[in-house]
Amino acid sequence: GAVVSQHPSWVICKSGTSVKIECRSLDFQATTMFWYRQFPKQSLMLMATSNEGSKATYEQGVEKDKFLINHASLTLSTLTVTSAHPEDSSFYICSARAGGYEQYFGPGTRLTVT
Amino acid sequence: GQQLNQSPQSMFIQEGEDVSMNCTSSSIFNTWLWYKQDPGEGPVLLIALYKAGELTSNGRLTAQFGITRKDSFLNISASIPSDVGIYFCAGQETSGSRLTFGEGTQLTVNP
Repeated sequence: GAVVSQHPSWVICKSGTSVKIECRSLDFQATTMFWYRQFPKQSLMLMATSNEGSKATYEQGVEKDKFLINHASLTLSTLTVTSAHPEDSSFYICSARAGGYEQYFGPGTRLTVT
Repeated sequence: GQQLNQSPQSMFIQEGEDVSMNCTSSSIFNTWLWYKQDPGEGPVLLIALYKAGELTSNGRLTAQFGITRKDSFLNISASIPSDVGIYFCAGQETSGSRLTFGEGTQLTVNP
């Protein structure tokens, strides 16, 4: 149980284009989903917290107009990187929480912006 | 904000050896979690700790929630090659709140 999937697992896009990443909880309903970014050899940095049906809460320094988050259902959240630039290249990981303490992580999405 | 100091940053050990890593915080957490991350994958939950002083095992892994609520350690006994990866501690202030991650411990096990 508690499986979280992400799609795509990797994506290459050109600078200036937008990319959408999906995060799904496969066998449970996620009241809250989290989006993290991880640069090589670094820890996970929380970008935003999203609750189903409401606006996401962004961490300080994360541009909400650049990283659009939608949590339209209890099993799906999407992160759209708008007008991507090479510095946005990173490993993006989502996690989902059903209601308890534990967060279950997706396998991550490797974004490369050329 | 919250800060977690995780040590050591990296460890190189021989197969069969025991491993210990720990995290300390500048303030109190009510939940401590330990994750393992393999290259190109998301973190996988290993052990969750909910009470100060709690000692929990999961196979060859043992973790403890410090009495002061400001620290936790993870031990791995009789290491094997598949233990290789990055281990992260994470603290949570209250139920449902954000996780604060340590910097990670890169473990290498030589056969």
